[in-house]
Amino acid sequence: QVQLVESGGGVVQPGGSLRLSCAASGFAFNSYGMHWVRQAPGKGLEWVAFIDYDATLKYYADSAKGRFTISRDNSKNTLYMQMNSLRAEDTAVYYCAKDGPDKDMDVWGKGTTVTVSS
Amino acid sequence: SSELTQDPAVSVALGQTVRITCQGDSLRNYYANWYQQKPGQAPVLVIYDKNSRPSGIPGRFSGSTSGDTASLTITGAQAEDEADYYCNSRDSSGDHWVFGGGTKLTVL
Repeated sequence: QVQLVESGGGVVQPGGSLRLSCAASGFAFNSYGMHWVRQAPGKGLEWVAFIDYDATLKYYADSAKGRFTISRDNSKNTLYMQMNSLRAEDTAVYYCAKDGPDKDMDVWGKGTTVTVSS
Repeated sequence: SSELTQDPAVSVALGQTVRITCQGDSLRNYYANWYQQKPGQAPVLVIYDKNSRPSGIPGRFSGSTSGDTASLTITGAQAEDEADYYCNSRDSSGDHWVFGGGTKLTVL
């Protein structure tokens, strides 16, 4: 079945970097756009970034622009997000989600937790 | 960028019908998607593309849109429907996505 598994979260100091990964299985990864969405503790969902099926298009929320980079390796069925210059307000659970035919974000991973703290 | 506005909390008696709304300018151009999130779990898509349900989502969930307002209706709410519900759509530019603030549904 369709599965998305995030990894790479952890505790990092302000100004530090992390690279998140999302391993995909059970579907044609190279055919679908992918998103990163985050949720700060006790807060709502916030869209972070999108990449289309062949990495031609990349879009970022204003909060991520210039600091985060979304990428994918279709040969490894894996989505990435490089996060630099991390701030306390980036503390959140980060989810990857896939688009489906004619639908956005139809399957989500369980998330990986990023904590930015000194 | 656009915003989507949801009521923070709604309650419904067991077996009754409840409507959760989502208001925003972008909904005049893009359909809303609706996600259910239970505590400690990832969101689950329940309605997409105006009023379509992914496989496995019960038929008591339905969606509609009028003008700048989208609605998620649960007809005959069950105890297991107690959750946070989020709407989302693309924003007016088409190259960003935006979520509503979420509605906490309590089933009494």
